[in-house]
Amino acid sequence: DQQVKQNSPSLSVQEGRISILNCDYTNSMFDYFLWYKKYPAEGPTFLISISSIKDKNEDGRFTVFLNKSAKHLSLHIVPSQPGDSAVYFCAASDAGNMLTFGGGTRLMVKP
Amino acid sequence: DSGVTQTPKHLITATGQRVTLRCSPRSGDLSVYWYQQSLDQGLQFLIHYYNGEERAKGNILERFSAQQFPDLHSELNLSSLELGDSALYFCASSERGYGYTFGSGTRLTVV
Repeated sequence: DQQVKQNSPSLSVQEGRISILNCDYTNSMFDYFLWYKKYPAEGPTFLISISSIKDKNEDGRFTVFLNKSAKHLSLHIVPSQPGDSAVYFCAASDAGNMLTFGGGTRLMVKP
Repeated sequence: DSGVTQTPKHLITATGQRVTLRCSPRSGDLSVYWYQQSLDQGLQFLIHYYNGEERAKGNILERFSAQQFPDLHSELNLSSLELGDSALYFCASSERGYGYTFGSGTRLTVV
């Protein structure tokens, strides 16, 4: 049973436009959510996180939105840059326990 | 440098052989997690150790085993290797589940 799902395996966006990556979860006990970015042949790196007591967290060009009632979170990148091309994983945690990862979305930002 | 060190970076070995992958966690982190990523697919959780004790097992084959030593470094042992075991193997460390720091991975090629 996949508790964290990223239903879009890939996304292509023009440079300068907005990228929206989506993630759905099923476990209502999840209280902390993270996004990781991964370049080929490198380890995932932490990008941004959000606690379940918030519905939005912003860091520069990156904003994460959380809709608890829909069990949905999204990552917005504005404006998108070619260097943002990578695989993005969302992850969720329940009370500081292990992270559960989604399957990833490959973002391609075209110049 | 993420602070999580994985060695070796690359490993090429023949089918049927046995290899050991090593991970040194970030200073102060007691948890070590091992993940497998095959062919740019998602991160498959293998096993979690906390302060020397196994805490959780994921989709880890019986041919694979791991341990965490008193100095908190961890080793992942892969035996009777098959072509399908070729993958990137990542370890990550954390103080608690709120965010992992990943190493840069070991690329295993079985020929």
